[in-house]
Amino acid sequence: AQKITQTQPGMFVQEKEAVTLDCTYDTSDQSYGLFWYKQPSSGEMIFLIYQGSYDEQNATEGRYSLNFQKARKSANLVISASQLGDSAMYFCAMREDDYKLSFGAGTTVTVRA
Amino acid sequence: KAGVTQTPRYLIKTRGQQVTLSCSPISGHRSVSWYQQTPGQGLQFLFEYFSETQRNKGNFPGRFSGRQFSNSRSEMNVSTLELGDSALYLCASRQPTANTGELFFGEGSRLTVL
Repeated sequence: AQKITQTQPGMFVQEKEAVTLDCTYDTSDQSYGLFWYKQPSSGEMIFLIYQGSYDEQNATEGRYSLNFQKARKSANLVISASQLGDSAMYFCAMREDDYKLSFGAGTTVTVRA
Repeated sequence: KAGVTQTPRYLIKTRGQQVTLSCSPISGHRSVSWYQQTPGQGLQFLFEYFSETQRNKGNFPGRFSGRQFSNSRSEMNVSTLELGDSALYLCASRQPTANTGELFFGEGSRLTVL
């Protein structure tokens, strides 16, 4: 069964606008972690933001914020004030007890000038 | 602080050959994981090593193997290559004492099998 679902294959956003990337997850663990990674065309996976299952506050890191809705099992990423350099593939991932990450299929974001 | 280093970055092999990929983790990180990324299957977990021991293994055939050395550097090997093994192989390291379990990735080794 798919553990991480990203339903948006690709998105376009205007420079300086905000964009929300959807992510839903499936787990029966009580303790888990949710991550967002950015993958530019170079291939490297760049860590953006982390949310623990017991964290009560939504995580924020600069222009990135994570909208964590535990009951709905969703962990959407919001990128504010988009920049041209934000054009990349974005992956949602979940860590369960065994510490390996399960990744979603990814969302390609293209920022338009 | 140097990041995760993977070599080689690009390589081309033919079916039936074998390949060895290398990964040097961030200094002080003792856990190394490997992931395979393909357009069809996405990112899939291969295995994780910690202190020279394999701690976790994904659902891949025995042709895929790995090891970790005492300095935490890791290698993965794929024997009897098949066309479907063409992929970006990503290595990641983490500090097991870190609460989040965040992985730090290298730029990957892009393998093409002809």
